[in-house]
Amino acid sequence: AQKITQTQPGMFVQEKEAVTLDCTYDTSDPSYGLFWYKQPSSGEMIFLIYQGSYDQQNATEGRYSLNFQKARKSANLVISASQLGDSAMYFCAMRPQGNTGNQFYFGTGTSLTVIP
Amino acid sequence: EPEVTQTPSHQVTQMGQEVILRCVPISNHLYFYWYRQILGQKVEFLVSFYNNEISEKSEIFDDQFSVERPDGSNFTLKIRSTKLEDSAMYFCASSPLKGGRNQPQHFGDGTRLSIL
Repeated sequence: AQKITQTQPGMFVQEKEAVTLDCTYDTSDPSYGLFWYKQPSSGEMIFLIYQGSYDQQNATEGRYSLNFQKARKSANLVISASQLGDSAMYFCAMRPQGNTGNQFYFGTGTSLTVIP
Repeated sequence: EPEVTQTPSHQVTQMGQEVILRCVPISNHLYFYWYRQILGQKVEFLVSFYNNEISEKSEIFDDQFSVERPDGSNFTLKIRSTKLEDSAMYFCASSPLKGGRNQPQHFGDGTRLSIL
């Protein structure tokens, strides 16, 4: 069974500080992709960053980086130099390579609030 | 940048009525998906569609649901007889390739479905 767990329902961070959003996952598939999406209050889902299970290095995209610890099955999102516009829901998602439907499995999300 | 478009943005329907949610995936994408998000909950997979047929569907996607690609551009989700519990945000997504664990899914802005 595939499972994504986000244990932080809500997080607060001071503007310009860094914040880490936790994500752990469970899958029996040896090959998988991990993704983070941002959902502002307007509702759309915005792709942020991807990490492959066989990637040797942690993914980075601008202010976003992914702290991937395969043995712990964790894929935490790090946002550096937080901005007010970063306030949103953040979802971790996984796509196992073996699933025929190619679907994503999502966590329950973390609501991030950036404080000025 | 090409994007997935969904219409309408908000649909209000009486319980028991049929509803059709429309999506135009990114033009060179081959894999299409519907997800739903009940208010305050995580995003849940409904169905994936590839090569003009359903590739995978979840337990949520029962006989009341159907999908169709009526022409080369549209991808629709039909709910035959809506129930109160169908009230949710429905997201359409697409991705360029079959398989390929590193392919993000590109989401539309969603259709908020309200069943009265």
